[in-house]
Amino acid sequence: GNSVTQMEGPVTLSEEAFLTINCTYTATGYPSLFWYVQYPGEGLQLLLKATKADDKGSNKGFEATYRKETTSFHLEKGSVQVSDSAVYFCALSDPDGNQFYFGTGTSLTVIP
Amino acid sequence: ETGVTQSPTHLIKTRGQQVTLRCSSQSGHNTVSWYQQALGQGPQFIFQYYREEENGRGNFPPRFSGLQFPNYSSELNVNALELDDSALYLCASSRGPGLARDTQYFGPGTRLTVL
Repeated sequence: GNSVTQMEGPVTLSEEAFLTINCTYTATGYPSLFWYVQYPGEGLQLLLKATKADDKGSNKGFEATYRKETTSFHLEKGSVQVSDSAVYFCALSDPDGNQFYFGTGTSLTVIP
Repeated sequence: ETGVTQSPTHLIKTRGQQVTLRCSSQSGHNTVSWYQQALGQGPQFIFQYYREEENGRGNFPPRFSGLQFPNYSSELNVNALELDDSALYLCASSRGPGLARDTQYFGPGTRLTVL
């Protein structure tokens, strides 16, 4: 079946540090992959997505590349800010687009 | 532009009771999806409604049912509540039914507690 596994948190980084949050998936066919973010006190919102192998999604300085050979979609940012403190969820949609799977979430805290 | 709204914000029910949660989709959106998020977990897909019909379903029993109305708002109904149904229930709307293609916009959720 389809599933998403992401690195456990919580993650604590100093401002301007490099961020990687690992995400791997199991899926039949060619899923679409997503990163969602939930800022404190706010609802889930889409951060970035990639719909086919080797695509790179990017937004707000975050990037993730769809790697089919390693079934991964790791989230990276070169220099985190305090405002990036949030819970990050990796997710996938099956190729038919009528099922959606989230990982368990990774809490990130960035300290000044 | 009004975002996705959900009601009520919080709800307390007793085991065995029934509950109805409501969701108003964002303007211009015709598809609504529902998720259950247990504490410390990621959201789990319950089902999606498009054109007033169920268009996809996750691994949830039949006592979880839904409706979509002509104005695209939606209800989630849960019968015979169990303690494990205690969770945050999220609604998301999108411009179309393709979860792989159409961005979902999430509401703030309804916190359900089953005693």
